[in-house]
Amino acid sequence: SAVISQKPSRDICQRGTSLTIQCQVDSQVTMMFWYRQQPGQSLTLIATANQGSEATYESGFVIDKFPISRPNLTFSTLTVSNMSPEDSSIYLCSVSFFPDRVNEKLFFGSGTQLSVL
Amino acid sequence: TQLLEQSPQFLSIQEGENLTVYCNSSSVFSSLQWYRQEPGEGPVLLVTVVTGGEVKKLKRLTFQFGDARKDSSLHITAAQPGDTGLYLCAGAQGYGGATNKLIFGTGTLLAVQP
Repeated sequence: SAVISQKPSRDICQRGTSLTIQCQVDSQVTMMFWYRQQPGQSLTLIATANQGSEATYESGFVIDKFPISRPNLTFSTLTVSNMSPEDSSIYLCSVSFFPDRVNEKLFFGSGTQLSVL
Repeated sequence: TQLLEQSPQFLSIQEGENLTVYCNSSSVFSSLQWYRQEPGEGPVLLVTVVTGGEVKKLKRLTFQFGDARKDSSLHITAAQPGDTGLYLCAGAQGYGGATNKLIFGTGTLLAVQP
């Protein structure tokens, strides 16, 4: 298993500002993921953060809006840039210990609830 | 876009009742996972099913993977208030390598009243 510390747990931000979310894992992992979730709804993958290379973004998400850093195998950040009310959501980081999808296990942080005024 | 549709979307039941949650898709998955998420927390993996027709039991929870590996169900017997939460299925495609196409279902919000 993995212990994932994500912060902040929640924040209220003004339109036009940026927020950086941090994700710290208690062990080294190859793949880290960032998801977005509306309360009570499904998860949407934003991007995959790989150490030593640029993040891979899913359709509808771009680096200028959601820059990601992955300086080492235990840490990643996601920045939500130039925020608007539409960015209000829960942001979750996740780690995978096994790139083999058959036996993969995902562990999630507790999420960052973001409200943009 | 591949979709995993869950039904029902919402479910409110009394303690002791049984329930079934369904997860359906037109796509084939190499494996399927079920997660439970409580408010203010991230999803927690409950089970992974891999083989078509596979049935796994976790105490009062029974998970089944469809024969064609396109659908799955979660059955809870004698539900308890502690079962309350958002249940998410997630389908994996591919059998290895650094893929990242785990597709999450639309979610089922379960409330068990004492």
